[in-house]
Amino acid sequence: DQQVKQNSPSLSVQEGRISILNCDYTNSMFDYFLWYKKYPAEGPTFLISISSIKDKNEDGRFTVFLNKSAKHLSLHIVPSQPGDSAVYFCAASNAGKSTFGDGTTLTVKP
Amino acid sequence: NAGVTQTPKFRILKIGQSMTLQCTQDMNHNYMYWYRQDPGMGLKLIYYSVGAGITDKGEVPNGYNVSRSTTEDFPLRLELAAPSQTSVYFCASSYHYNEQFFGPGTRLTVL
Repeated sequence: DQQVKQNSPSLSVQEGRISILNCDYTNSMFDYFLWYKKYPAEGPTFLISISSIKDKNEDGRFTVFLNKSAKHLSLHIVPSQPGDSAVYFCAASNAGKSTFGDGTTLTVKP
Repeated sequence: NAGVTQTPKFRILKIGQSMTLQCTQDMNHNYMYWYRQDPGMGLKLIYYSVGAGITDKGEVPNGYNVSRSTTEDFPLRLELAAPSQTSVYFCASSYHYNEQFFGPGTRLTVL
């Protein structure tokens, strides 16, 4: 039973357009949500996070939205750049332990 | 400030051999984690620690052991390696419940 799901294994967008990555979770005990970015042969790096008491958090080109009633979060990247091409992992946390989705590979075409 | 370092970067083991994956962090983080990532999958938590002397099992602990004698180090021990343990292993650390900082990973193949 996968508690965190990223249903789109891949996403391709044109440079300058918006990228929207989605994540669904099932455990209502999760209280903190994070997005990580991963390049090949490297460890994941933290991108942005949101607490369960908020519904939006913005950091530059990156915005995370949380819909608790739907148990859904999304990451918006505007405008998308070729350097954003990577695997994006959604993670949901409770008591310091994070559960990760399987990732979405984003390709931004010049 | 090196962050999280892991050694070795690559290793090939024969079935039944043992090894220790090393992990060190220099950020004085209390929380440390070990994950494995299989191809096309997310990260699965193996073990974690909330401080020196305290460890607990994650989602997939079977076949592994850990110890945490210092704040900086969190080694992962594989006993009796099996082909199912072929994976990429990531160590991470964090300050309390915040975002985790990951090492570069160890790619392990068991033949």
